[in-house]
Amino acid sequence: NAGVTQTPKFQVLKTGQSMTLQCAQDMNHEYMSWYRQDPGMGLRLIHYSVGAGITDQGEVPNGYNVSRSTTEDFPLRLLSAAPSQTSVYFCASSSTWSSNQPQHFGDGTRLSIL
Amino acid sequence: SQQGEEDPQALSIQEGENATMNCSYKTSINNLQWYRQNSGRGLVHLILIRSNEREKHSGRLRVTLDTSKKSSSLLITASRAADTASYFCATASGGGADGLTFGKGTHLIIQP
Repeated sequence: NAGVTQTPKFQVLKTGQSMTLQCAQDMNHEYMSWYRQDPGMGLRLIHYSVGAGITDQGEVPNGYNVSRSTTEDFPLRLLSAAPSQTSVYFCASSSTWSSNQPQHFGDGTRLSIL
Repeated sequence: SQQGEEDPQALSIQEGENATMNCSYKTSINNLQWYRQNSGRGLVHLILIRSNEREKHSGRLRVTLDTSKKSSSLLITASRAADTASYFCATASGGGADGLTFGKGTHLIIQP
């Protein structure tokens, strides 16, 4: 079982560059989300999706775009990278958007913006 | 915004001892979850306790919830070196669509 797969695992960007972080799950989960993890800050929600074609903003959405064209994939796009976006990014999924569902996390993408 | 706050921030114990971590939160919740994160890996779900439950067990894990004090504790009994990780509590106040709110975590080190 692959679960939640994130690519790439590591990435270094220059300020102003754009890129897409990929997230795919093979569990037919309806709900998917993106978090960023910064030292001493815990995880903060960037964007989420309750199903294909539906996305919404989380706590820290500025500078990021998402789309959900299929159930399996939920890519996160950085429009114009800034040093403040240096972080570890985690994608998570659950069978439904109910708060009673455990979240399944990928192993993260470690992103550095120079 | 941080909802849960774990205490202590770091904990180092000998293998075989019990480890207790605490989580405090600010607003009313539907449930509280605990996750483990090994170094360089994603979070792994450990246990979920609903707001109408006071205690829950899963293997060597025991979780308590006191909604009147807005606090929860995670007890790991008979610790092992493999338990070395960071532990996070996460709360959901609404229906869940707007995600979980995580604390900053407790870093647990098990000394062999």
